Amino acid sequence: AQKVTQAQTEISVVEKEDVTLDCVYETRDTTYYLFWYKQPPSGELVFLIRRNSFDEQNEISGRYSWNFQKSTSSFNFTITASQVVDSAVYFCALSEGYGGSQGNLIFGKGTKLSVKP
Amino acid sequence: KAGVTQTPRYLIKTRGQQVTLSCSPISGHRSVSWYQQTPGQGLQFLFEYFSETQRNKGNFPGRFSGRQFSNSRSEMNVSTLELGDSALYLCASSTGTGIYEQYFGPGTRLTVT
Repeated sequence: AQKVTQAQTEISVVEKEDVTLDCVYETRDTTYYLFWYKQPPSGELVFLIRRNSFDEQNEISGRYSWNFQKSTSSFNFTITASQVVDSAVYFCALSEGYGGSQGNLIFGKGTKLSVKP
Repeated sequence: KAGVTQTPRYLIKTRGQQVTLSCSPISGHRSVSWYQQTPGQGLQFLFEYFSETQRNKGNFPGRFSGRQFSNSRSEMNVSTLELGDSALYLCASSTGTGIYEQYFGPGTRLTVT
């Protein structure tokens, strides 16, 4: 069965600190997709990144970076020099890679990040 | 491009009633997925519609149903509401073909009393 685990329920940091959000996944599929979403207090889930299982390159986008490691089934997310606006709940998600199954996202429980000034 | 819109944004219903939620996807997107978010269960997949056909279904009772229209707009219906149906219902829009990501609407907050 597919599963996404975000072991960190809540993290609190002071502005400008670096923070890493952990995500561990389980799947039997050889093709799958991993995602990170941000949910600010307004409630709308904001798409951050998609990673394909066949592409293990890490990615950097501004202050955000993602480390995908198939060997440990992990897809961790690092925010460098955190800012108050980064405060939100962050979700890691997984979808299968065949046919029309991508529409079913399996989410972790989320990590609530609080960045204090 | 306009984003995903959901109406209404807030709803208060009484146990036993039924409710219909609406979702308009991003222009050109043919897939709409629905999710339920509760503090206890987190985000759970309800179903996905693609070109007016249900393509995937989560593990929810038959009281939860949906449909999609030819313009890709989707509705979700919950009959015989229970207190446990109180949740944030999110719909997500995507192209539905190839490799794609889903873009979410602001959600409908349903409270069942």
